[in-house]
Amino acid sequence: DTGVSQNPRHKITKRGQNVTFRCDPISEHNRLYWYRQTLGQGPEFLTYFQNEAQLEKSRLLSDRFSAERPKGSFSTLEIQRTEQGDSAMYLCASSLALGQTRNEQFFGPGTRLTVL
Amino acid sequence: TQLLEQSPQFLSIQEGENLTVYCNSSSVFSSLQWYRQEPGEGPVLLVTVVTGGEVKKLKRLTFQFGDARKDSSLHITAAQPGDTGLYLCAGLQGANSKLTFGKGITLSVRP
Repeated sequence: DTGVSQNPRHKITKRGQNVTFRCDPISEHNRLYWYRQTLGQGPEFLTYFQNEAQLEKSRLLSDRFSAERPKGSFSTLEIQRTEQGDSAMYLCASSLALGQTRNEQFFGPGTRLTVL
Repeated sequence: TQLLEQSPQFLSIQEGENLTVYCNSSSVFSSLQWYRQEPGEGPVLLVTVVTGGEVKKLKRLTFQFGDARKDSSLHITAAQPGDTGLYLCAGLQGANSKLTFGKGITLSVRP
């Protein structure tokens, strides 16, 4: 299977702990996105990379959140000092952006974070 | 205020029935994508529509992009239990690369 993969699939942590999630995009895709989805809502954009450059960050991405894509391949999303409000599904997507119009984004299975 | 409004929010129908659901906005989108999501999984891309008035078919699913590229509809013919899921529409605006999603439509098809 050469789709987007995410690890871990589930993470339970205590408030105040740090967590890190990994995303491996589709291999030839140059763009990688992070979204967050809470119950009853559609996914909300957090940040995206083109190759290794982080080009946009949402206001939702507080200073406790940091994302990297060091070699333009996989990406990590770290949350420091987790809060109960961080509990959500964290989704990664990738695309091969040759122009702005289509930019079809393919999602991974997500990482479900529960902060106790 | 939600940029993309999806309706109805919930729909429960009998197997074999037809249905149409909607994704509406007051804003113009350069493209619009429909996804289906099952509990505990990521969204799966169904279709991308780009041109105003465009109609795309995917087996029993028919997607239409509004002439003004502000809205879209999804019609399912002879719904089956396997169509059950959360249907999300998401749009791209101008030069933006981020998708803006609606809240989704939860569809349940009873056998």
